[in-house]
Amino acid sequence: EAEVAQSPRYKITEKSQAVAFWCDPISGHATLYWYRQILGQGPELLVQFQDESVVDDSQLPKDRFSAERLKGVDSTLKIQPAELGDSAMYLCASSLDAVEQYFGPGTRLTVT
Amino acid sequence: GENVEQHPSTLSVQEGDSAVIKCTYSDSASNYFPWYKQELGKRPQLIIDIRSNVGEKKDQRIAVTLNKTAKHFSLHITETQPEDSAVYFCAARENTGNQFYFGTGTSLTVIP
Repeated sequence: EAEVAQSPRYKITEKSQAVAFWCDPISGHATLYWYRQILGQGPELLVQFQDESVVDDSQLPKDRFSAERLKGVDSTLKIQPAELGDSAMYLCASSLDAVEQYFGPGTRLTVT
Repeated sequence: GENVEQHPSTLSVQEGDSAVIKCTYSDSASNYFPWYKQELGKRPQLIIDIRSNVGEKKDQRIAVTLNKTAKHFSLHITETQPEDSAVYFCAARENTGNQFYFGTGTSLTVIP
């Protein structure tokens, strides 16, 4: 069964450093989502792509976060510079029809 | 935007009993309501969903009900088992941009 892949699974970085996360959606899924999940809370949407286009990035802190999906397949989320408050799980999800979405295993980020 | 509230935040039941988790949403245009199960350290997994043109859906021991007038939907788990222990999230999808908004989660513990 196809799954969403993410890497790295864990990342520890010092504040002010740059970090990047990668997501490979299920093949053929046009919609891709990046979420941030703080411990004890539900996922919060950061950015949504339809193919290579950004559909919604209203909750993305654009002064430090950026996301791209250049060829409409895999995607990268970057934080520069990282802050202590960025420590969280970063989840990627994909969807064929913007209905059922499937999550990747996530990247656990710790900023020290 | 949409606002999803979820209750209770924690729930303990004896094995074999039923568990009910409730969510409310604010945007009457939302049209799709999935439920996810997230075990510790793992990705959220879709367990059941319901669309706005349906009032109830059942899949073995799991059922979801939707009241569009009151803007609330509920997850029902019958004959609970220890392996049902996890965090459960509800979500609502807006009809306009297809964004998903999640509840804050319910930590379910099934006591053997």
